[in-house]
Amino acid sequence: DQQVKQNSPSLSVQEGRISILNCDYTNSMFDYFLWYKKYPAEGPTFLISISSIKDKNEDGRFTVFLNKSAKHLSLHIVPSQPGDSAVYFCAARASEKLVFGKGTKLTVNP
Amino acid sequence: NAGVMQNPRHLVRRRGQEARLRCSPMKGHSHVYWYRQLPEEGLKFMVYLQKENIIDESGMPKERFSAEFPKEGPSILRIQQVVRGDSAAYFCASSLQGENEQFFGPGTRLTVL
Repeated sequence: DQQVKQNSPSLSVQEGRISILNCDYTNSMFDYFLWYKKYPAEGPTFLISISSIKDKNEDGRFTVFLNKSAKHLSLHIVPSQPGDSAVYFCAARASEKLVFGKGTKLTVNP
Repeated sequence: NAGVMQNPRHLVRRRGQEARLRCSPMKGHSHVYWYRQLPEEGLKFMVYLQKENIIDESGMPKERFSAEFPKEGPSILRIQQVVRGDSAAYFCASSLQGENEQFFGPGTRLTVL
């Protein structure tokens, strides 16, 4: 039973446009959500997070939106850059441990 | 300020051997987590430790796997009598007490022949 789902395995966007990565979850007990970026053969790099009591958090080009009623969150990257090309993982926290989605591979084309 | 360090980065073992994976958390971090990633999958939680204590090992297989985080030295994930299905990337993460973000190391890629 997958508690955190990233339904799009891949996404391709043009440089300068917006990238929107989506994530759905099923467990109402999740109290914190995080996005990580991962390059091949490296560990995940923390990007941005949001508490379950908020609906938006912004950090530079990255914004995370949380819709608790829909159990849905999204990561917006604008403007997208070729260096943003990587696999993005959504993670949700319950009792100190993180539950990860399977990831979305983002390709930003020059 | 060094990040989370893991060694070795790559480890090859034959079936039946033991694998020891080491993790040094970020300076000042007292919480360590181990995750496993199988090919084409997300990371799966294995165990959460604080110094000298296992807090949550609900993701650890019941047999052959153990973890420790001694008072001095790195955290160790130990896999006894490895099998081919243990081949995966093992990631360690650490966090500050009371903080929500976990910071990951580069991982150890275990290959069982």
